[in-house]
This record gives sequence, C-alpha cells and structure tokens, in this order.
Amino acid sequence: GNSVTQMEGPVTLSEEAFLTINCTYTATGYPSLFWYVQYPGEGLQLLLKATKADDKGSNKGFEATYRKETTSFHLEKGSVQVSDSAVYFCALSDWGIQGAQKLVFGQGTRLTINP
Amino acid sequence: KAGVTQTPRYLIKTRGQQVTLSCSPISGHRSVSWYQQTPGQGLQFLFEYFSETQRNKGNFPGRFSGRQFSNSRSEMNVSTLELGDSALYLCASSPGTGGGEQYFGPGTRLTVT
Repeated sequence: GNSVTQMEGPVTLSEEAFLTINCTYTATGYPSLFWYVQYPGEGLQLLLKATKADDKGSNKGFEATYRKETTSFHLEKGSVQVSDSAVYFCALSDWGIQGAQKLVFGQGTRLTINP
Repeated sequence: KAGVTQTPRYLIKTRGQQVTLSCSPISGHRSVSWYQQTPGQGLQFLFEYFSETQRNKGNFPGRFSGRQFSNSRSEMNVSTLELGDSALYLCASSPGTGGGEQYFGPGTRLTVT
C-alpha cells in the first residue's frame, strides 16, 4: 500500500538556521501531498500542499516541491524561529473506491528551535 | 468559518467501559474522517464518512465504530475499552471532493485505566 517515510527526529536547530525535513513516499497513481504541523496539546494544522508533480506548496515561509522523479516532498524554511517548534507530519492522500479518501502519514518529526 | 470541534476534549474511562466521541465538521463539509494518534503507532486512519455513509475503514477491530448524521456531525464509539485504546482521537473534515486536504479538530484525549 501507499506509505510515507520522514527523516528521524528529533531535530534541534538554532534560531535563523536553515531547515530541511526529508519526506519520501511510495504510492500508486498521483496522490496529493501535504505537510501538517502539530503544536503541543493541539490537533494538526495544514501547513501546505501540492497536488501534482513539480507543484510547489508554500506557507508562512515554509516550502515543499512535489518531486515525482525522486518521490519526495521535502519541507524547507530559510530562517526558523522559536515559534516553529512543533511536530511536523508529511502525508499523502490515498483515494479508494466511491471517492473515499484517507490521509497516510509519516511518523512525524519533532523540531525544536533554540533562541 | 468555525473550525472542526470535538467533544469532550479529555476523557478518562476504565477497562471494559464504552465511550462515544463527537465531532462537528466545518460548515459545508460533508466528509468526516477519524484518526487515532499514539506515540507508538503514530497517526492511523479509523474510518471516513460521507453523506451518512461509511466509505472507507481502517484496520481496527469491530469495537471501533462510527456514524454520521444528516447535518454531517459524526460520532465514534469504542466498546469494551482496553488499555491500548488510550490515545488522542482526531476528527478531520473535508468537502469530500477536490485535492484531498483535511482539516483537523483539536482531538479528544482518551485515557483508559
């Protein structure tokens, strides 16, 4: 079945450092790809998405490009802030019969930014 | 628009009991999905409902069930609770068509003792 693999965490960076969180996927067809973020005690927030190959999703300084040739969707940010500390999840949409859909998630990467 | 709401936010139950969790989707969204989040297994899909019909189901035992009402609100029920059912249960809504993004509620933290 479809699956998502994220880089192992936790990741600790200093403020203003460059961030990359790797994500690769295995899927039949052409799923949409997502990054979600989860702050302590909260649900998941959609950070960005890409629906087809070569699409670049971006939001709040974060970017990710849908790379079909490498089956990757790496998350990047040029200059992180303390407020970016959270758990980040890469996900793909898995479509079933009758248009039923579910999200398949990676294991999550905990990011800590030190001032 | 108001976001996805879930009630209750926290719940403590004992083994063998049953529990019902509630979810109200974003207005206009017809699809509601449920996920279980645990430190060991991560985020796992439970089921998805669209217009009161279950369209998709994850690999969970029959003790886990759900339903959706005509106003798109959804409930999930877990019967004969086990210690391993302790988790954060997340509800997500979406229009049911389109790019596949889902919008999550804050979750219900269930603790089974």
